[in-house]
Amino acid sequence: SQELEQSPQSLIVQEGKNLTINCTSSKTLYGLYWYKQKYGEGLIFLMMLQKGGEEKSHEKITAKLDEKKQQSSLHITASQPSHAGIYLCGAVNNDMRFGAGTRLTVKP
Amino acid sequence: DGGITQSPKYLFRKEGQNVTLSCEQNLNHDAMYWYRQDPGQGLRLIYYSQIVNDFQKGDIAEGYSVSREKKESFPLTVTSAQKNPTAFYLCASSRGTYEKLFFGSGTQLSVL
Repeated sequence: SQELEQSPQSLIVQEGKNLTINCTSSKTLYGLYWYKQKYGEGLIFLMMLQKGGEEKSHEKITAKLDEKKQQSSLHITASQPSHAGIYLCGAVNNDMRFGAGTRLTVKP
Repeated sequence: DGGITQSPKYLFRKEGQNVTLSCEQNLNHDAMYWYRQDPGQGLRLIYYSQIVNDFQKGDIAEGYSVSREKKESFPLTVTSAQKNPTAFYLCASSRGTYEKLFFGSGTQLSVL
């Protein structure tokens, strides 16, 4: 089955700083999803990437899928406390599998 | 409003007891999924269903059972064979196999 490795596992940043989260797949990605989770809640969809080299942005969050379609990055510009949570990447094969997640803390 | 509803929010299980977690969606989605999340870990797939009356095992199906008798419902039973059931359980649905997932708010299961 497809393995997804996320790095870092956790991240603590000062408010206003930029940060990047990475997701690496053991197989070619046919669809890569980024979700955000608040503790004890469900997952909220952020973005989906399908094409190699694709880049999407929403507010201060940008996600990219590399040309070889085996790695994706999520970049947050000028982080805010509202960005805090767990970020998970998910990949579609016959089902949806997820990475272990990156726990983001933003200090005011 | 369309969405996916999980109940209850919190559930307690006694030793040797089976418990059932409810998942209902009114999004008219064909595919539904159950995931387990342990503290500090990602989501692990338990079961998924792409169509009514059909479902497949995920990575950690042992000790769990599901049914898909109706399109909108995908209940998960945690049986007494599951020796470490304490976890956060998430249900999700999608329009099709390669579509984005919509998640419920989760059920926290604990053992008494």
